Amino acid sequence: EVQLVESGGGLVQPGGSLRLSCAASGFSLSDYWMHWVRQAPGKGPVWVSRLSSDGSLTFYADSVKGRFTISRDNAKNTLYLQMNNLRADDAAVYYCARGRGSVDSWYDAWGQGTPATVSS
Amino acid sequence: QSALTQPPSASGSPGQSVTISCTGTRSDVGGYNHVSWYQQRPGKAPKLMIYEVNKRPSGVPDRFSGSKSGNTASLTVSGLQADDEADYYCSSYTGNNNFPVVFGGGTELTVL
Repeated sequence: EVQLVESGGGLVQPGGSLRLSCAASGFSLSDYWMHWVRQAPGKGPVWVSRLSSDGSLTFYADSVKGRFTISRDNAKNTLYLQMNNLRADDAAVYYCARGRGSVDSWYDAWGQGTPATVSS
Repeated sequence: QSALTQPPSASGSPGQSVTISCTGTRSDVGGYNHVSWYQQRPGKAPKLMIYEVNKRPSGVPDRFSGSKSGNTASLTVSGLQADDEADYYCSSYTGNNNFPVVFGGGTELTVL
């Protein structure tokens, strides 16, 4: 069974850091492009970042570029999102998702989400 | 990249059909046949219901169907059931590597 389990969210002050984890089971992360998507309360999801299946390519939304870093550990089959210099508008539930399709445009597996709260 | 436009709410009685629209631009919905729809229940992760405009993943009832005309995509739920009550989000490929997927603001579907 394909499963994604996120962890690492929490309360952090503005300017602080969080490291989110997404443990995958039932498939290998190295076979798929993987994404982070966030969703603020009462809002639609917003794409944040993606990592290529071979691990060589990373992409970021302009709003997080230079502050967030996506990576993975193949041995642990775990995806990460290092979030630095957090701002109030980064507060959201963060989901990892498996990309599918010829242009990696839809997500057939999602984690349960982990919340990031940014407040002093 | 602006979010896709969805009506905030939709409703229908059990057994009826309801259609939810999703309007974008030529740069996203109108430019690619890569529109997806997700169902989200409170406190849960989104669940894929439709991909590539009109394809259903295994396990999704055929009461759910998708279509597209120009810059507007649509999700139709026929034979409404109480269990269909949820938020629905559309998404589209944008062709932009730095923002490959854009989502809609969501539609809250109520089964009366």
